[in-house]
Amino acid sequence: EAGVVQSPRYKIIEKKQPVAFWCNPISGHNTLYWYRQNLGQGPELLIRYENEEAVDDSQLPKDRFSAERLKGVDSTLKIQPAELGDSAVYLCASSPEGTGVTTEAFFGQGTRLTVV
Amino acid sequence: KQEVTQIPAALSVPEGENLVLNCSFTDSAIYNLQWFRQDPGKGLTSLLLIQSSQREQTSGRLNASLDKSSGRSTLYIADSQPGDSATYLCAVARGGGALNFGKGTSLLVTP
Repeated sequence: EAGVVQSPRYKIIEKKQPVAFWCNPISGHNTLYWYRQNLGQGPELLIRYENEEAVDDSQLPKDRFSAERLKGVDSTLKIQPAELGDSAVYLCASSPEGTGVTTEAFFGQGTRLTVV
Repeated sequence: KQEVTQIPAALSVPEGENLVLNCSFTDSAIYNLQWFRQDPGKGLTSLLLIQSSQREQTSGRLNASLDKSSGRSTLYIADSQPGDSATYLCAVARGGGALNFGKGTSLLVTP
């Protein structure tokens, strides 16, 4: 069974440019998460989806970040415009269950973003 | 707000040693606790999941315990190997499954 797939693996962009990350969760997983991991830190949640609904986006900087999960499967995270402080690893994760039931989360390889 | 702390931040041991990594959290109202491994430049690999009603879980040379009332978990690695060198992250789950992570313990096992 394929795991969580993310692309691209690496991205280098100039500040003020837009960037997008893509995630394909494990088949059948209803819940999808985007996390950001800064160097030397643990991942921090940006947004959580249950199917196509964003149920927790309280930590998403909405002035420049947006996300979508059309049809409740793949998801895209976008930054526009990017700032130097956005340099980090962006991790996607999925789990089988939704609200009220917590199960094991499976993570992708991440996208390492460098803003110059 | 849930705070997760991992001690030590870094650890270097010779091959064959048994070792303990510590994790503490401030809010005992958790659903579960997961231990992950992260290799440099890689994503997270789930090692063990302990539900809030459980006390421990074992997988091979790994054993994780959970004391929810005191807000503590430990990851025990037996007979450490150089291949165990990685960063180990502890994470606690709140409602809906979103995880609060510690900063990790960087482990180096020398031959």
